[in-house]
Amino acid sequence: DGGITQSPKYLFRKEGQNVTLSCEQNLNHDAMYWYRQDPGQGLRLIYYSQIVNDFQKGDIAEGYSVSREKKESFPLTVTSAQKNPTAFYLCASSISGSGANVLTFGAGSRLTVL
Amino acid sequence: GQQVMQIPQYQHVQEGEDFTTYCNSSTTLSNIQWYKQRPGGHPVFLIQLVKSGEVKKQKRLTFQFGEAKKNSSLHITATQTTDVGTYFCAGNNAGNMLTFGGGTRLMVKP
Repeated sequence: DGGITQSPKYLFRKEGQNVTLSCEQNLNHDAMYWYRQDPGQGLRLIYYSQIVNDFQKGDIAEGYSVSREKKESFPLTVTSAQKNPTAFYLCASSISGSGANVLTFGAGSRLTVL
Repeated sequence: GQQVMQIPQYQHVQEGEDFTTYCNSSTTLSNIQWYKQRPGGHPVFLIQLVKSGEVKKQKRLTFQFGEAKKNSSLHITATQTTDVGTYFCAGNNAGNMLTFGGGTRLMVKP
């Protein structure tokens, strides 16, 4: 089955630690995205990548970093510079980076900072 | 920048009642998409509207795109408990990234 796999599903982190969230897709999609969702709120774009070895900041990129070394993979690192990292993180992909394309989401990773 | 607002934020209905959520954009949209997120789940694509005044139906769900392409609505007829979840609209303006609304959380009493 084609889809997007995010891991881990749940993650606990101490303040001051960096953590990396994994996102892998086998849909052969060119574009990949990271969104943050806070309780009762919508989705805010952190970073996106329209092609391998290229990525762009979204609306809330501060305190986060990404890489896109392979088409299938788009890991997100939540750095210690992110002041309020506790949230639900969703990875998504689309056929291309056009805004008209439909997003396919992974199951999400829930990060809690202790 | 582009803003997309959704109302209401929450809606409780009795099973069998109708439900509507509204989406309004600060700018004219090229297209609008609707997603549903079940409790504890992830957003799943429902439909995309592209044309001015477009209306699409999926069983009990009716989606509309406004004539000015700045607003949209999702109407559910005779809600069921399986309709529970948060419904998001997401608008696109001339090839930019999708901007999501804040979502409407629907709760259905059996």
